[in-house]
Amino acid sequence: EAGVAQSPRYKIIEKRQSVAFWCNPISGHATLYWYQQILGQGPKLLIQFQNNGVVDDSQLPKDRFSAERLKGVDSTLKIQPAKLEDSAVYLCASSLRLAGRNEETQYFGPGTRLLVL
Amino acid sequence: KNQVEQSPQSLIILEGKNCTLQCNYTVSPFSNLRWYKQDTGRGPVSLTIMTFSENTKSNGRYTATLDADTKQSSLHITASQLSDSASYICVVSPRNDYKLSFGAGTTVTVRA
Repeated sequence: EAGVAQSPRYKIIEKRQSVAFWCNPISGHATLYWYQQILGQGPKLLIQFQNNGVVDDSQLPKDRFSAERLKGVDSTLKIQPAKLEDSAVYLCASSLRLAGRNEETQYFGPGTRLLVL
Repeated sequence: KNQVEQSPQSLIILEGKNCTLQCNYTVSPFSNLRWYKQDTGRGPVSLTIMTFSENTKSNGRYTATLDADTKQSSLHITASQLSDSASYICVVSPRNDYKLSFGAGTTVTVRA
């Protein structure tokens, strides 16, 4: 079974520039998550999709971050404009159903490591 | 305030030795608790999952325990190997919400 795919794996940009990340979840997984993981910390949920609808985006800095999951499969996360504090690993995960409250397993991609200079 | 606290933040052990990682949580009511292993440069991978009614779960040399009364969990690594060098993250699921609570992780370094 193919895992969660993410690209690019690494990105270096200057502050105020824009950047986009792509995620392809495991086939058949209805739920897709984007996490931000700052060095030395656990992942922080940015946004959660169920099919192509947003379930939770309460921690997404909407003034600069946006995400979409058209057609309920692939997803893109965009930062515009980037700030120094956005330097982190951006993890995408997917699960068959919503994780939490039940025993659904989240499967994580390798992440995109972003460095903002 | 983070509802999941892990300790120690990091530890170094010699190959072949055992170690125990701790996870304390305040998430309530509680549904289940997972331990993830995250190798450097990769995404987390689930090691074990325990519901509130379970108090131990093993996956090879990894054994997780859960005390739902004291809201504590531990992950024990037996006969450590160099490949055990990773970050171990505790994740707690509430019973009445879809939001997961992640700990900051414990970084384990196994030395030959």
